[in-house]
Amino acid sequence: GAVVSQHPSRVICKSGTSVKIECRSLDFQATTMFWYRQFPKQSLMLMATSNEGSKATYEQGVEKDKFLINHASLTLSTLTVTSAHPEDSSFYICSARARGYDEKLFFGSGTQLSVL
Amino acid sequence: GQQVMQIPQYQHVQEGEDFTTYCNSSTTLSNIQWYKQRPGGHPVFLIQLVKSGEVKKQKRLTFQFGEAKKNSSLHITATQTTDVGTYFCAGWRGGGNKLTFGTGTQLKVEL
Repeated sequence: GAVVSQHPSRVICKSGTSVKIECRSLDFQATTMFWYRQFPKQSLMLMATSNEGSKATYEQGVEKDKFLINHASLTLSTLTVTSAHPEDSSFYICSARARGYDEKLFFGSGTQLSVL
Repeated sequence: GQQVMQIPQYQHVQEGEDFTTYCNSSTTLSNIQWYKQRPGGHPVFLIQLVKSGEVKKQKRLTFQFGEAKKNSSLHITATQTTDVGTYFCAGWRGGGNKLTFGTGTQLKVEL
């Protein structure tokens, strides 16, 4: 099956700093990337959807200036949490939609962000 | 907006007992998917159901899509400790551009 590599797996940062999370599709072209956020023991909440070469579409309530998404190529998408605060601490997961795999999503391993 | 609810939220069973989680959508779904997330891990695709009333089996797992395509269920026969995790149903919305996850059912299996 298709593999999505997400990096870093865990990051601890000081309040006010920015953190970049990378998501790469290793052996396929990701036509669409989805970024989810998950709090402990809760479901995955869609933050934004991005297509290669175009601006991301953000879900209602998600600040696009705070969560910057770049999908520069068919194999790479990044999420940058700008000026992170403790309330941004969460598990962030990317997922990719691939040609030839119908509507199945392939997930990265996730990034646990802790903001002190 | 579309809401996808699952019950129960938690389930503890003894190994060997059966387990069922139910998924209900506020709107009709074109199809439904099921994912499993192990503790500390990421969601892994299990199956997709498309047709009204469809039933699919994967070894001890049985998936069903309701006739009205608004609900679904996952049944595990004779649970094992390897079945531990959270099971999510998910449905596409926004013209098939956004996958919305259900609230999830956390399964714990005790020896």
